[in-house]
Amino acid sequence: AQSVAQPEDQVNVAEGNPLTVKCTYSVSGNPYLFWYVQYPNRGLQFLLKYITGDNLVKGSYGFEAEFNKSQTSFHLKKPSALVSDSALYFCAVRDYTGTASKLTFGTGTRLQVTL
Amino acid sequence: GAVVSQHPSRVICKSGTSVKIECRSLDFQATTMFWYRQFPKQSLMLMATSNEGSKATYEQGVEKDKFLINHASLTLSTLTVTSAHPEDSSFYICSASPTGPQTFSNQPQHFGDGTRLSIL
Repeated sequence: AQSVAQPEDQVNVAEGNPLTVKCTYSVSGNPYLFWYVQYPNRGLQFLLKYITGDNLVKGSYGFEAEFNKSQTSFHLKKPSALVSDSALYFCAVRDYTGTASKLTFGTGTRLQVTL
Repeated sequence: GAVVSQHPSRVICKSGTSVKIECRSLDFQATTMFWYRQFPKQSLMLMATSNEGSKATYEQGVEKDKFLINHASLTLSTLTVTSAHPEDSSFYICSASPTGPQTFSNQPQHFGDGTRLSIL
């Protein structure tokens, strides 16, 4: 069974500093990995995905994520955080089966960016 | 970009009422849609996979008679919480991926803005 771990419930960063939100995964086959952001009382917004190719994936709002197969990680990063980045971030994995397959989400990490 | 509309955004009703939540893909077709439930400060829990023209697939522990799902067209899925009780109060979110030549696996799911259901 596939699983995702987000070890940090909350990450605190000062505005302008780089941020990292950690994610590790476990799948039986090739992983398809996703990051989503959720603002209060809203659904999830897609940030970026890794399917194949370059290990460094660039996404929306200046976010990027690095796929590391040996460490089974897919950490989300941003060089310079903004207060408006404060939100709940979810990592998700989908195991490729060739048919419609389900996303498995991590427990979420709350990012708090302060001035 | 792909847009999923979910309605209503908030419902407050009395215990015993049935509540219908709609999920529409506005600019793409979706053979499959997903319904999630999110408890406060927790992750999303997949409730069921909604399949156009056929029965929904429910996750273990989810009562199919309690949470009725209908996927009548390629752009609309509905979730009806029947005879809702206070323990059904939660944030319900739907999602969909575009149907097309590519497999589902590398397409991101697009989420509605959720429905906050409060049962008094």
